[in-house]
Amino acid sequence: EDQVTQSPEALRLQEGESSSLNCSYTVSGLRGLFWYRQDPGKGPEFLFTLYSAGEEKEKERLKATLTKKESFLHITAPKPEDSATYLCAVPQRNNAGNMLTFGGGTRLMVKP
Amino acid sequence: ETGVTQSPTHLIKTRGQQVTLRCSSQSGHNTVSWYQQALGQGPQFIFQYYREEENGRGNFPPRFSGLQFPNYSSELNVNALELDDSALYLCASSLERETGNTIYFGEGSWLTVV
Repeated sequence: EDQVTQSPEALRLQEGESSSLNCSYTVSGLRGLFWYRQDPGKGPEFLFTLYSAGEEKEKERLKATLTKKESFLHITAPKPEDSATYLCAVPQRNNAGNMLTFGGGTRLMVKP
Repeated sequence: ETGVTQSPTHLIKTRGQQVTLRCSSQSGHNTVSWYQQALGQGPQFIFQYYREEENGRGNFPPRFSGLQFPNYSSELNVNALELDDSALYLCASSLERETGNTIYFGEGSWLTVV
């Protein structure tokens, strides 16, 4: 059974203090890894999809990387508006469509 | 704005009652799935519909059921509500079911069971 574990559960940063969020996964065959951002009381907002080890994608202050066992979401010089819960997820099987297994999320708080 | 709309946004039900939640997928998206997200946890997959047929189900009892209509909109029905059913219910849609298609989520329906 696929498992996705995120760490830390919560992270407090000062504005400008860079850090990384971890997503470890155990799957029978990686079919992609998704990162989402979720603001309180809102639905998840798509950030990135990574498909193969070594792949990297960037968006503003965020960069996602992928290895064979884990993915990292690096946040460079974060701002208070980056405060949110960050979720990672993997598809449950081929042609899974929207069938994703999510991690528990990392709640990020960036203080000014 | 993802184009996935859900209704109602908030509702309160009594234990034992039944509830229907609705989702309009992004235009042209024929694959719709539902998730349950308890406070402080990641979303849990309930089931998925592809072209009006259920083609995947998570570890949820039969009192969770659904429908997809010809315009690809969808409903989630929960019978015999329990207190633990209190959660944010999310609808997600994508174009076709090929793995890797971007999946868009709605804002969710907050259900409180008292």
